[in-house]
Amino acid sequence: GEDVEQSLFLSVREGDSSVINCTYTDSSSTYLYWYKQEPGAGLQLLTYIFSNMDMKQDQRLTVLLNKKDKHLSLRIADTQTGDSAIYFCAEILPYSSASKIIFGSGTRLSIRP
Amino acid sequence: GAVVSQHPSWVICKSGTSVKIECRSLDFQATTMFWYRQFPKQSLMLMATSNEGSKATYEQGVEKDKFLINHASLTLSTLTVTSAHPEDSSFYICSARETRGTLQYFGAGTRLSVL
Repeated sequence: GEDVEQSLFLSVREGDSSVINCTYTDSSSTYLYWYKQEPGAGLQLLTYIFSNMDMKQDQRLTVLLNKKDKHLSLRIADTQTGDSAIYFCAEILPYSSASKIIFGSGTRLSIRP
Repeated sequence: GAVVSQHPSWVICKSGTSVKIECRSLDFQATTMFWYRQFPKQSLMLMATSNEGSKATYEQGVEKDKFLINHASLTLSTLTVTSAHPEDSSFYICSARETRGTLQYFGAGTRLSVL
C-alpha cells in the first residue's frame, strides 16, 4: 500500500542542525519531495530527489535517501527562526497523468533560542 | 521555481451561497491540476484531480456536485463550492503539475469561512 510516515514534532536550538525523518512504503516511488508550509500559507517545494540518487545537497539543505530501508531525511544546517514551519515528505509513484503525490502527516519544526 | 497563483486567499460567505476559487499556473503549462483540502494541524487531503479538457476525477467520499471543478485551459482550473455550509469551512489548496515534468507546485491556499 501507499503510506508515508513522519514524526509530528521536532524542536531544535537556533544554530543547530535539524534532521527531519520520513519513511515510505512503496518501493516504486520515482521522486521524493520535501515541502515547507508556513502558517496560513500553501506548500513551497523545498527540494526533491530522484529515486536513483542517495544524496542531494542544496545550500543549507541535505537530502539523504536510503532505498533499502525506504527512509528519507532532510537536514537543515544552521537552523534559523525562519525555518519554523511544517515540513511534508511526499512521494510520487511511477509517472502517469493519473499519478498522485502521497503526503506524510507533516513534521512541525520549532526553533528555541 | 514555477509559480501557482490561487485566488482569493480568504473568503467569508453566508451559508447557501457558492464560492469559486481560481488556480493559475503563471509561467508553465499544467495539463493536470489537483485540489486539496487541509484541516487544522493535518496533512493535505486530495479532493480531485483535474485534467485539462476532460472531467475531473474525484476521490472517494468527495461529492462532485458539491465541489465543481473546471479545467478549461492549460493554465487555469477552478473549484466552485456550491451551496456552502459551515462544515465546508476549510483551507483549500490547489496544485499544478508541469505538463512535461513531474514537479508539482502549490498555490498559497484559500481559507474559506462559511457563516
